[in-house]
Amino acid sequence: EADIYQTPRYLVIGTGKKITLECSQTMGHDKMYWYQQDPGMELHLIHYSYGVNSTEKGDLSSESTVSRIRTEHFPLTLESARPSHTSQYLCASSDGGSGANVLTFGAGSRLTVL
Amino acid sequence: GQSLEQPSEVTAVEGAIVQINCTYQTSGFYGLSWYQQHDGGAPTFLSYNALDGLEETGRFSSFLSRSDSYGYLLLQELQMKDSASYFCATFYGNNRLAFGKGNQVVVIP
Repeated sequence: EADIYQTPRYLVIGTGKKITLECSQTMGHDKMYWYQQDPGMELHLIHYSYGVNSTEKGDLSSESTVSRIRTEHFPLTLESARPSHTSQYLCASSDGGSGANVLTFGAGSRLTVL
Repeated sequence: GQSLEQPSEVTAVEGAIVQINCTYQTSGFYGLSWYQQHDGGAPTFLSYNALDGLEETGRFSSFLSRSDSYGYLLLQELQMKDSASYFCATFYGNNRLAFGKGNQVVVIP
């Protein structure tokens, strides 16, 4: 059973629309991440958070923004979608403990901007 | 910055053994992880090496050589369900995970 949930799974939207991708986790993890992945390619970190009211940009520049008002919720917003934003967006969380620091991923949100 | 190199694709028959290599270059090294991703699915954690040597988890084993900045994932007794992409990943900074380009494994009967 999934402990990290992403909605919507699939979204097709027109250029210029505002969209929010939702991500929620029930594991009480402090650390949460957003990755962007094009088909057959690697995952690129675009945002991360170490806890409530903490957000940082990742290595891949993104026009999206994120917020972390509650531990379990880490939504990603695009104010004005463009075709270049077409991609899969994967949310993940971890407890950041010592050792492997395993990331648990959601099923992803596949965004297509026409 | 972080750089992880992996070969792109390998095809193997059921029951075979496949080795997926990964060379990395990172500013600060905090261990090498491996993730599996089925087509259209979410990446799932397979294994982690913090120290040199071999870690075995069932049919999968992972190896690390820090002096060579190199690691590999060994898939044994391949099954059809092992057809997926396999990514190596390293931590950098404060618990941030950087992924390699991935290696697609195709298992044929």
